[in-house]
Amino acid sequence: DQQVKQNSPSLSVQEGRISILNCDYTNSMFDYFLWYKKYPAEGPTFLISISSIKDKNEDGRFTVFLNKSAKHLSLHIVPSQPGDSAVYFCAASAPGNTGKLIFGQGTTLQVKP
Amino acid sequence: DAGVIQSPRHEVTEMGQEVTLRCKPISGHDYLFWYRQTMMRGLELLIYFNNNVPIDDSGMPEDRFSAKMPNASFSTLKIQPSEPRDSAVYFCASSLAWGGYTFGSGTRLTVV
Repeated sequence: DQQVKQNSPSLSVQEGRISILNCDYTNSMFDYFLWYKKYPAEGPTFLISISSIKDKNEDGRFTVFLNKSAKHLSLHIVPSQPGDSAVYFCAASAPGNTGKLIFGQGTTLQVKP
Repeated sequence: DAGVIQSPRHEVTEMGQEVTLRCKPISGHDYLFWYRQTMMRGLELLIYFNNNVPIDDSGMPEDRFSAKMPNASFSTLKIQPSEPRDSAVYFCASSLAWGGYTFGSGTRLTVV
């Protein structure tokens, strides 16, 4: 049972344009959401997060939006750069403050020069 | 800090052999997680430890998989016997009581 889903395996965007990566979840008890970025042959690294009490968090070119009623979050990258080409994982914090994160399948973003 | 250290980086083994993956978490982190990355399921949690104690091993696929954390600075994930479907990238991550994970670089396992 996949509680966190990233339904788009890949996305291709032109440099300078906006990249939008989407993530859906099924468990309404999730209270914290994170995005991780992964380059080939490296481990995922933390990118940005959002608490369930907010609907938006911004950090430079990266903004995460949370729609709790739709159980949906998205990551916006503006403007996209070739160095942003990577696999992006959405993750949700399991209820009960267990420290456990549940990840989606990942979306491969390619930013073309 | 050198970060989370995993070894080996690559492992190729024959079906039926025992495989042991190793992880050294960041000093002071009290959570340690083992994940497996596959195309279908993304990053799949196998097991995690808190203060060296296994908390949730519900993600361990079969009895062929086992994990230990004998002390705060070392953990192993063992597969015995290994099968071709175990081929994947295995990640170890550590974190503080609550905080973002720090992942290791992963071990790419190929079982032939």
